[in-house]
Amino acid sequence: QVQLQQWGAGLVRPSETLSLTCAVSGGTFSGYFWTWIRQPPGKGLEWMGEVNPSGASNYNPSLKSRVTMSLDTSKNHFSLKLSSMTAADTAVYYCARGLRGPTWGPGTLVVVSS
Amino acid sequence: QSALTQPSSVSGSPGQSITVSCTGTSSDVGGYNFVSWFQQHPGEAPKLIISDVTKRPSGISNRFSGSKSDNTASLTISGLQAEDEADYFCCSYTGSNTWVFGGGTKLTVL
Repeated sequence: QVQLQQWGAGLVRPSETLSLTCAVSGGTFSGYFWTWIRQPPGKGLEWMGEVNPSGASNYNPSLKSRVTMSLDTSKNHFSLKLSSMTAADTAVYYCARGLRGPTWGPGTLVVVSS
Repeated sequence: QSALTQPSSVSGSPGQSITVSCTGTSSDVGGYNFVSWFQQHPGEAPKLIISDVTKRPSGISNRFSGSKSDNTASLTISGLQAEDEADYFCCSYTGSNTWVFGGGTKLTVL
């Protein structure tokens, strides 16, 4: 059964860059869309973007200038970087194997604060 | 990229059926059969309950069903149970290699 484990800094200072990593275990890494979603406290879900099987990325237009997603196929990892963080970026960040399948990470709460 | 429109809340009594709507446009919900529904209990990660408009993943109760008409997708839960009380989110592929979520619907089981 495919499982996702994610990690990264839970506290980020304003203007700094968030880095999160998601590790895939128990299943195939190649051939899937690897997705990041976030959820501000008490609010809804926001699709941030995805990396497709060829390694190309598609991003939410509202985040496109600040977000970078990548794959590391040698480690079965995929990563998220979000620059110029502000308080509005405080959220639980989830990694997932696409939005058509059941495989999600547990989520990482990221707080932006000085 | 505007969020899909969902009612903020719905409610029903145990045993009843409820339907949650998810309205988009011809560029997202109406244009593709890639609508997913997620159930989220407090403090937990979202759980996929419907994909591709009507498909139930393995292990999901057949009390959950999905459908679509024009630009509106719907999630129906029949035989409501207390454990169904949760937030429900729809999402749709938009055709610009992007996805968009609905704002979410809080289901209360009376």
